[in-house]
Amino acid sequence: QVQLQESGPGLVKPSGTLSLTCAVSGGSISSSNWWSWVRQPPGKGLEWIGEIYHSGSTNYNPSLKSRVTISVDKSKNQFSLKLSSVTAADTAVYYCARKNSITIFGVGNNWFDPWGQGTLVTVSS
Amino acid sequence: SSELTQDPAVSVALGQTVRITCQGDSLRSYYASWYQQKPGQAPVLVIYGKNNRPSGIPDRFSGSSSGNTASLTITGAQAEDEADYYCNSRDSSGNHHVVFGGGTKLTVL
Repeated sequence: QVQLQESGPGLVKPSGTLSLTCAVSGGSISSSNWWSWVRQPPGKGLEWIGEIYHSGSTNYNPSLKSRVTISVDKSKNQFSLKLSSVTAADTAVYYCARKNSITIFGVGNNWFDPWGQGTLVTVSS
Repeated sequence: SSELTQDPAVSVALGQTVRITCQGDSLRSYYASWYQQKPGQAPVLVIYGKNNRPSGIPDRFSGSSSGNTASLTITGAQAEDEADYYCNSRDSSGNHHVVFGGGTKLTVL
């Protein structure tokens, strides 16, 4: 079964760039799925950051689009997140997840499964 | 703000039935998916599609939809069901964007 594992620095300085990688095991990143990043500030809800397809196509949350870059490395079966110009408001647990999609009788659905365990990134000097 | 609206908190007596709702315009065209999140843990998918449960999710969890409202029903709530529950779907703009509801804290009394 597919498993996801986030990695990257747990502390980033204000105005710096947050960089995380999600390693995919037990399956291929070139499958017919989108690969997503989701974050959760302490004590708050889930926020979708964006997603990438193995072709390199991306979709981003409009509220973060100017600062976000998601890339894929098929040779390493992983994808990455970069978030620039970070502030304390970007402090959160960052999750990577596989997005599954289906349309049945014209009604669409997408769902995230599996998820990585999450990694806490703190923005502080 | 979220394009999917959930009640912040709901409570249920042990063994009783509870419904958690999610409202949004996009739900007229897309199914919602539902996640359970316990403290310090990653979200876990509990319902997707019209009413599908991943392997390992108890059959007391079910999903339904009507108009702009999706519902997650727990029939015979157990103590271990106490958690935060989030819905998600596409946004209503027609773009390939994803939105999550604000989450519902379920307390089992």
